Parts: sequence; structure tokens; C-alpha cells
Amino acid sequence: DIQMTQSPSLLSASVGDRVTLNCKASQNINKNLNWYQQKLGEAPKLLIYYTNNLQTGIPSRFSGSGSGTDYTLTISSLQPEDVATYYCYQYNSGPGTFGGGTKLELK
Amino acid sequence: EVQLVESGGGLVQPGASLKLSCVASGFTFSDYWMSWVRQTPGKTMEWIGDIKYDGSYTNYAPSLKNRFTISRDNAKSTLYLQMSNVRSEDTATYYCTRGGMVLITKHWGQGVMVTVSS
Repeated sequence: DIQMTQSPSLLSASVGDRVTLNCKASQNINKNLNWYQQKLGEAPKLLIYYTNNLQTGIPSRFSGSGSGTDYTLTISSLQPEDVATYYCYQYNSGPGTFGGGTKLELK
Repeated sequence: EVQLVESGGGLVQPGASLKLSCVASGFTFSDYWMSWVRQTPGKTMEWIGDIKYDGSYTNYAPSLKNRFTISRDNAKSTLYLQMSNVRSEDTATYYCTRGGMVLITKHWGQGVMVTVSS
């Protein structure tokens, strides 16, 4: 299985900050990567698919980038409603695998 | 409006079997692959498997393949997850999602909790 490692596991930031979350795959996943946001008590929500495609209805402050084994989710200006845990997920080869998550909190 | 509603969870003893259901509405169920995903109490997420729109093909995470079976009844717009010989590590919230392993979907159920304990 492909291992997905997210860093940091916990991130504290202030409203308005530019925030970067990282995801590293154990092998090349050819940009076949999604990002999900999960708020407390809710199901995960798709933010970004295929590395850099913004899901319909997701604010433009979210963006994704990367290639090969290294991927990034960026929030350009952190908002209070962005407090959540973020997961990356690769579907390049089965089984699909998730990262361990980055918990984002307000400083 | 697309809705996915899971049921069938609860407290189950180790070694027992349990069948989860996911009733779909708001779309033509038989047109879509479907998946199951689970999340442990420690928040680890795991893709369990998927099933083709006509039920003719299933794909599983290798670690679960021998104990979990995914099926569907398109006439009832219902997806199933049969869990057998459950273990404490199967304790999790189980989600059904619309779509296959690529999980490019905004459609998830609300989740159903399964607790394996004696």
C-alpha cells in the first residue's frame, strides 16, 4: 500500500494567515490526490481533487499543488470557519489511502 | 437532493457478524459505483472497498478482503457492507460514499458507528 504522511499533525494559525499543509506519498502518485476537510461531528468534505482542482462551492482561498510524491494544500487567508482536520487521499493505486490528518486550530 | 443514510451499526461482540446498510436517494443509484470508508475513534481513515454500478465487480482493501463483503440492491437503492468475524480494531464510524475508489465526490452519508466489544 502507498503510505501518505501529513505534516504537521497540528497547526495553530491566526485569522488572515497564509497556511500550508503538506502531504507526502511513499511513491509517485501522479497527482492522483484529493484533499478533504472534516469538521467535528461531520463527514469529510471534498475540497480539492486531482491535486489542484477546486470542488464546486469551495472558497477560492483553498488551493492545491504538487507532483510526484509531494503535495500541498494552501489556505491563502485563514478564516474562523476553516478550523477543522484536513486529510489527503491518494487513489493512484489500490487500495486508496489517507494521510493521518492535519488538525488546524486558531491561535 | 442526494442523500445517503447508513444504518445497522451498534455494539457487537468480537467474532460476530454485522451488516450495514446505506439507503440512497436523490439520484439514479444504479448509475454509480459506491464505496465504504471508515474512521476509527483515533481519526484514522481507511477506504474499505467499492462496487460497480451493476454489482458485477467489487474491490477491497487487501487487509479487509477476507472478512468484509460489499453488495448492493439496485431495486432498493441500497448498498450493504457485510462484516464478519469482527475485531476490536473494526470499531469505527462507517461511511458510504457515492463513487468508486477515486472518492472524487461530495456525497457522503452521515456515518454509522460500530463498536466491537465484549
